[in-house]
Amino acid sequence: EAEVAQSPRYKITEKSQAVAFWCDPISGHATLYWYRQILGQGPELLVQFQDESVVDDSQLPKDRFSAERLKGVDSTLKIQPAELGDSAMYLCASSLVTSGTDTQYFGPGTRLTVL
Amino acid sequence: GQQVMQIPQYQHVQEGEDFTTYCNSSTTLSNIQWYKQRPGGHPVFLIQLVKSGEVKKQKRLTFQFGEAKKNSSLHITATQTTDVGTYFCAGPSSNTGKLIFGQGTTLQVKP
Repeated sequence: EAEVAQSPRYKITEKSQAVAFWCDPISGHATLYWYRQILGQGPELLVQFQDESVVDDSQLPKDRFSAERLKGVDSTLKIQPAELGDSAMYLCASSLVTSGTDTQYFGPGTRLTVL
Repeated sequence: GQQVMQIPQYQHVQEGEDFTTYCNSSTTLSNIQWYKQRPGGHPVFLIQLVKSGEVKKQKRLTFQFGEAKKNSSLHITATQTTDVGTYFCAGPSSNTGKLIFGQGTTLQVKP
């Protein structure tokens, strides 16, 4: 069964450093999501792509976070500089279409710890 | 803004007991989705409800969507240790369509 791939699985960094996360969605899925999940809370959408275009980045802290999906396939989420409060699980998900009714398939996530 | 709330936050049960988690939205939803996240894992889609008053079953799990399409529940009959995890409900924002997740209910099952 096809899965969403993410790397790295774990990342420890010091504050003010730059970090990058990679996501490869399920083949053929046009929509890609990046979520942040703080321990004890539900996932919160950071950015949503439809193919290579950003559909929603209203919750993305744009002063330090950036995301791209250049060829409409895999995607990178970057944080520069990282802050202590960025420690969380970063989840990537994909779906066939952009719709509030479509099933989202999540990757294993990247757990970020900022020291 | 639009909110999705779940209660309880935590539930500890003895194996074999029933479990229910409740989900409430501040606005009417076009649909509601349920996900399960095992400890150390990622959310996995369980089911989607679309119709007012809809009830769906998956083995020991029963999902219900309220008549007003603002609330939902997940009931597990005779819990097993494999049911351990956090159950999230999620509904699309009426403005943007993006999924808004509740904070989840974490279920612990004592064997």
